[in-house]
This record gives sequence, structure tokens and C-alpha cells, in this order.
Amino acid sequence: AQSVTQPDIHITVSEGASLELRCNYSYGATPYLFWYVQSPGQGLQLLLKYFSGDTLVQGIKGFEAEFKRSQSSFNLRKPSVHWSDAAEYFCASYTGFQKLVFGTGTRLLVSP
Amino acid sequence: NAGVTQTPKFRILKIGQSMTLQCTQDMNHNYMYWYRQDPGMGLKLIYYSVGAGITDKGEVPNGYNVSRSTTEDFPLRLELAAPSQTSVYFCASNPGTPKNIQYFGAGTRLSVL
Repeated sequence: AQSVTQPDIHITVSEGASLELRCNYSYGATPYLFWYVQSPGQGLQLLLKYFSGDTLVQGIKGFEAEFKRSQSSFNLRKPSVHWSDAAEYFCASYTGFQKLVFGTGTRLLVSP
Repeated sequence: NAGVTQTPKFRILKIGQSMTLQCTQDMNHNYMYWYRQDPGMGLKLIYYSVGAGITDKGEVPNGYNVSRSTTEDFPLRLELAAPSQTSVYFCASNPGTPKNIQYFGAGTRLSVL
């Protein structure tokens, strides 16, 4: 079965430092991949998506992600983290019939 | 610009009670979904619908029922609430191809005691 793995449960980054959140997927063909962010007590907001084409995709709030087929990865990056970026981040992939399978999430903590 | 609206936001149920979680979207999306979110588990798909009158089971459907009589509404029914159904429930909708993006509601936090 298709799956998405986020190996890091928690990550702490200093404000102003760079960020990389890891995501690995299992799927034979080119997957549809997403990153969502969830602030405390809120729903999920789409940061960016990859369907095809350029493997480096830009999203909202200064985030980007790079699709690497050879590594089955879709890591999320940001060059300089702000305190407001503290949230939980979910990587997800479509499995068919427009259904998403989610990773278990990575909680980002931002230290001053 | 309401998007996906879920009610109620919070609810406490006693074991064995029933309730319906409401979900409405005003974007005329064909696809709708119900997920549950448990700590450290990500989101799991309960049920989904590809259009009015058409529903199907997701990964964790046991203990739940759904209906889709209109494009806008996709209620989730819990018939005999159990403590294992304590969770945060999210509804989402998706216009389908070519956009293929799911839009989420703010969630319903349910406790079964």
C-alpha cells in the first residue's frame, strides 16, 4: 500500500535559522505530493504541491520543496524560520480517487 | 468566502450516545472527505464521496456512517459512541481534476467519556 513517512516527530530550530523537514513516499509512478501546515487548534492549510514538471516547487509563506525521485523524497525547506512558523507539518500523497494518505507529522518548535 | 464549515467545534458525548458531525462546503466541489486525527498518527480517512449519492469507505470506517444527499453537505454519523472515537475530526472538499487540492474545515474536537 502507498505510504508517506515523516521520520522526525519533533524538530527545534532557532529563529532565523534554516529549516528542512523530511518526507519519503512509496509509490511506483510519479506521485502527487503535498505539504500542509496545521497551527494549534486549526485546520490544515496547503503550503505547496507537486504534480509534475519542475522538481523544485515554491509555496506560500516562503516555503519550498524539492521532489527527488531517486531518493523517493519530497523535503520541505525554508531559508529563515520565523516564530510564527511553529506548527505541525504534514506531508501527503494521493492514492487514487483523489484520496490522500498522510505522514504522521512533524512538530516544529522555534526557539528565540 | 466560507469554504468548508464544520459544526460543532467541540462536543462531549457519553458512551453509547449518537451524534452527527456536520460539514458544508460552498465551493461546488464534487469530492468530500472525513478524516480523524489522533496524536502521533497523522490523519486517517474515514469515508469519502465523489459526488451526491455516492460514498465509500476509507481506511477506518468502523463505527461511522455517512450520507451525501446534496453536493454541499456531507454529515458524519456516530451511532454508538465509544471512547476509541475520541479524536479531532476534519472534513475536506476537493474540486477534482485538474486542480486536485483538498480544502479543510477547522475541525470538530470530540470526547467520548
